[in-house]
Amino acid sequence: GESVGLHLPTLSVQEGDNSIINCAYSNSASDYFIWYKQESGKGPQFIIDIRSNMDKRQGQRVTVLLNKTVKHLSLQIAATQPGDSAVYFCAENTPGNDMRFGAGTRLTVKP
Amino acid sequence: DSGVTQTPKHLITATGQRVTLRCSPRSGDLSVYWYQQSLDQGLQFLIQYYNGEERAKGNILERFSAQQFPDLHSELNLSSLELGDSALYFCASSPRAGGYNSPLHFGNGTRLTVT
Repeated sequence: GESVGLHLPTLSVQEGDNSIINCAYSNSASDYFIWYKQESGKGPQFIIDIRSNMDKRQGQRVTVLLNKTVKHLSLQIAATQPGDSAVYFCAENTPGNDMRFGAGTRLTVKP
Repeated sequence: DSGVTQTPKHLITATGQRVTLRCSPRSGDLSVYWYQQSLDQGLQFLIQYYNGEERAKGNILERFSAQQFPDLHSELNLSSLELGDSALYFCASSPRAGGYNSPLHFGNGTRLTVT
C-alpha cells in the first residue's frame, strides 16, 4: 500500500556539521509535505513544509528538497547544534486523505 | 508552545478500565486529529473531527471512540484497556478540514500506561 518511510532510523553527526535526513514516499498523488521535530517528552513541532509545485524551500538553517521523480524528500540542517538532537518525521498529505507520517529518524549531535 | 492543550499529561490505569483523554485545539482551529505513538514508533493516525463532525478515520480500534464538542474541544475515549494500549496519545489541530497546505500543530501528548 501507499506509505511514507525513512531511509535511516538513526543519524549521528558532529556539532557544526551539516545533517541530511531522508524520506521516501510512495503515493504519487501526495502534494504537500512537512518535516516535524520531536524532542523527548514533547509533541512533534513543525519545522518546514513544501508543496509539490516546488523542489526546494529554505528556512532558518533548514532546507527541504523534494524530488518528485523518485518520490524523495530530504531535510538539510546547516551547522547542526546540540539542540537539534531529536527525532525527525516527514509527513505527506494527499488531497482528501489524512496526513501520514514516516517512522522517524533519530538525530544525535556529538559535541 | 503550539497552543494545543492536552490533559492529563500522564495516566496510569489497569487493564479492562476506561479512560478519557482531553484536547483543546489552538484558538481558531476547527479540525482536531488524534494520533497514537508507541515506544520508538511513528505516529499512527486514529481519527479526525472537523467542526464537530467526524471527517476521517484511521487505524482506530472499536474499543476507542472520540467526539468533538461545540466549543471544539475533543475527547478520546479508550475502553476495555489492554497492555498494548500503553502509548503516547497526541492531539493536533489545524484551521481547515483537510491537512492540505496547512501543517498540524501538536499538543505535548498524554502518556497512557496500562498495568
